[in-house]
This record gives sequence, structure tokens and C-alpha cells, in this order.
Amino acid sequence: AQSVTQLDSQVPVFEEAPVELRCNYSSSVSVYLFWYVQYPNQGLQLLLKYLSGSTLVKGINGFEAEFNKSQTSFHLRKPSVHISDTAEYFCAVSDLLTGYSTLTFGKGTMLLVSP
Amino acid sequence: NAGVTQTPKFRVLKTGQSMTLLCAQDMNHEYMYWYRQDPGMGLRLIHYSVGEGTTAKGEVPDGYNVSRLKKQNFLLGLESAAPSQTSVYFCASTKQGREDTQYFGPGTRLTVL
Repeated sequence: AQSVTQLDSQVPVFEEAPVELRCNYSSSVSVYLFWYVQYPNQGLQLLLKYLSGSTLVKGINGFEAEFNKSQTSFHLRKPSVHISDTAEYFCAVSDLLTGYSTLTFGKGTMLLVSP
Repeated sequence: NAGVTQTPKFRVLKTGQSMTLLCAQDMNHEYMYWYRQDPGMGLRLIHYSVGEGTTAKGEVPDGYNVSRLKKQNFLLGLESAAPSQTSVYFCASTKQGREDTQYFGPGTRLTVL
């Protein structure tokens, strides 16, 4: 069975500072990896996804993530955050073997950006 | 193009009451999902559907039933609500396949007293 661990439940950061949100997954087969963002009182929306190819994936709003197969990680980064990036971020995995198109989500990391 | 919509946005139930949450999508997506979101737990899959007339259990299906009579609609039912079902419920849809993006509705906040 697949699982996702987001190592930090909250990450406080000052505006214009860099940030990294960590995500590790566990799966015995190849996977697709996703980062979703949830702004307050809204549904989730896709930030970026890794399917294959280049391990560095660029997403919306200046975010990027790097897939590291040997460390089973997919950490999300942004070089300079804005107040508007305050939101909860979810890492998710879909393995290529079991069942249909279902995602397993991590428990989320709340990014708190202060001035 | 409204995307994924959910009805109602808020609801308060008493223990033992029943209700149905409606999810509708206008993107002609094959797959639809119901999740619940609880603090510190992330999103957990309740049930999903891979096409009209088909449904399958997810991670936390107990106490819920679903139906997909029309491709665009996915209904989540609570037959006898319990306080443990107090949560925010999200519906999502995807075109088809593991690589596709899931599109989420705005959520339904349900409180069971």
C-alpha cells in the first residue's frame, strides 16, 4: 500500500524568504506525484505534478518540486514567498499498479507567511 | 463552465438524521470522488466512481452510501448521521487516468449534533 508523509504540520516563514515543504512517500511501484494547495475556505487546486521525465517540475505561482526516487521524496520549494501563499499544501501519490485513478494524500502542511 | 459544484454548502444535522450531498460537474469527466477532510488528517477517500452506474469503496466508506445515476452527478448519502461524521466533505472529478488532475468542489461543512 502507498502512503505519504508530510514532515511538517506547520511552516512559519517571513515574506520574501525561501521555503521548502517536505514530502516523502512509500510505494513498492512507480508513482505519480502531486502537490495541491488549499486556500482558506476553498477546495483544493493543483500546483504541479510529476509523471515522468525531468525530475524538476515547475508549477503555478512560482512553485517547483524535485522528485528524488532514491530518497522517495518530492519536496516543494519557492525561492521567495508572498503573503498570498498562506495556505495548506497537500502532497499526494498515485501508484501505477493498484486500482483505478485514486490519490493518497498526506496530512497537509500549513504555510504561514507573515510580513 | 462552473467546474465542480456541491450542494449544500453548510448543514447541521441531529444524530440519526439522514441527508444527501450532491456533487455536479460539467466537464464530462468519467471519474468522481468523495473525500472527507478532518483537522490533522488530510483528505481521506470515502467512495469513488469510474463511470456512470459504477461505484467503489475508498479508505473510509462505513456509514456512507453513494450513487452515480448520471455521469455528471455523484451523490453521497448518510443514512443515520453520527457525530463522528462531522467534517468537511469535498467532491472531485477527473477526466480519466492516474495522471489526470483532480478538480475539487468548494466543499460542504457538515455538523452532526
